[in-house]
Amino acid sequence: GAGVSQSPSNKVTEKGKDVELRCDPISGHTALYWYRQRLGQGLEFLIYFQGNSAPDKSGLPSDRFSAERTGESVSTLTIQRTQQEDSAVYLCASSSRTANNQPQHFGDGTRLSIL
Amino acid sequence: GDSVTQMEGPVTLSEEAFLTINCTYTATGYPSLFWYVQYPGEGLQLLLKATKADDKGSNKGFEATYRKETTSFHLEKGSVQVSDSAVYFCASKAAGNKLTFGGGTRVLVKP
Repeated sequence: GAGVSQSPSNKVTEKGKDVELRCDPISGHTALYWYRQRLGQGLEFLIYFQGNSAPDKSGLPSDRFSAERTGESVSTLTIQRTQQEDSAVYLCASSSRTANNQPQHFGDGTRLSIL
Repeated sequence: GDSVTQMEGPVTLSEEAFLTINCTYTATGYPSLFWYVQYPGEGLQLLLKATKADDKGSNKGFEATYRKETTSFHLEKGSVQVSDSAVYFCASKAAGNKLTFGGGTRVLVKP
């Protein structure tokens, strides 16, 4: 597609359940990023993928969070045993290269609500 | 670590007023600087960028100049419209791969 695609757009689930969020980056973009945006706050970096290199997981808040990416395509972010503080909008972005001057293009996000 | 600080909102203006949103950063090395905008009900979009000192980014009537001496990247627009109502995020990208974002500034333009 033309832009970064994320699904689902909204997800409501009960505390303790596992959730999977999907990101389809712009075709040809080698770098993929996940961010979290809590209500009324800025974006927090979670994880970054670049090609087949080991991902930068430095932003993952706990071991309940994990992400995978196959090659330079789709990525899934998994949150296990969800907690209410996980409620946020989860944003995915991709860029063509990782040089500092390359902007990241964002998807519309998945709004996650934990009951 | 790297950080970005921007003025808190909301900022409420009348149409055709002058808008300034202050942004300052701390970073190792020489970051690239960005402004992103999030219109109501839409995703985050790149508004403009500057990649080195004294560069000026511009788009849709908005401008921001990379000031290394004051570590600032203030966003300005001379005459705002109702359609400029949105949340604006300043961000930096230095060594490493992630964007570091400010907390966002909500702007409301009234007719």
